[in-house]
Amino acid sequence: QKEVEQDPGPLSVPEGAIVSLNCTYSNSAFQYFMWYRQYSRKGPELLMYTYSSGNKEDGRFTAQVDKSSKYISLFIRDSQPSDSATYLCAMFSNTGNQFYFGTGTSLTVIP
Amino acid sequence: NAGVMQNPRHLVRRRGQEARLRCSPMKGHSHVYWYRQLPEEGLKFMVYLQKENIIDESGMPKERFSAEFPKEGPSILRIQQVVRGDSAAYFCASSHTSVGNEQFFGPGTRLTVL
Repeated sequence: QKEVEQDPGPLSVPEGAIVSLNCTYSNSAFQYFMWYRQYSRKGPELLMYTYSSGNKEDGRFTAQVDKSSKYISLFIRDSQPSDSATYLCAMFSNTGNQFYFGTGTSLTVIP
Repeated sequence: NAGVMQNPRHLVRRRGQEARLRCSPMKGHSHVYWYRQLPEEGLKFMVYLQKENIIDESGMPKERFSAEFPKEGPSILRIQQVVRGDSAAYFCASSHTSVGNEQFFGPGTRLTVL
């Protein structure tokens, strides 16, 4: 079983839609959860960073962590064509040195 | 405040040659991580370094790959005797501290082995 599972998509939505991106994980020691956005042929860009369970909001982006279900989500409100990218979830525990990444979900927002 | 710098951005090598990838972390960051990304795959951890020390190289292939982060200068990922399977995007990330801190990524080096 992979440490982190993420549906690769592709996901295609109309402009203005609410987008939901998700990851599941198997290691209950993960405490730090991140979402990165990666445009084609570019490096990943940190979007959201959360510690433990709960919600975090930043503009149109909301990150949710449910540690009891080992499930994290990223919601994008009022999606824009500029949101078209691959979204990667990443996780980290205090007991290790590695970030574990999902394979990424490809999102296209259609004008 | 410059971000993480990587060079070259694109590197072409023939089988059997050596590839050297360089990474300069963000100012004030002393922790460097190298990742490899293959098409349709996520980022795979390779190695974690601090200045002059390799902290975790559990993701590095045992042969042909090495990494360093000297006291002065950039971190170097070195691949000897490259093979076609080494073709990938290699990303470097840096962080201020290690424990749970955000990692900021460079633009990557795309290695193509002919």
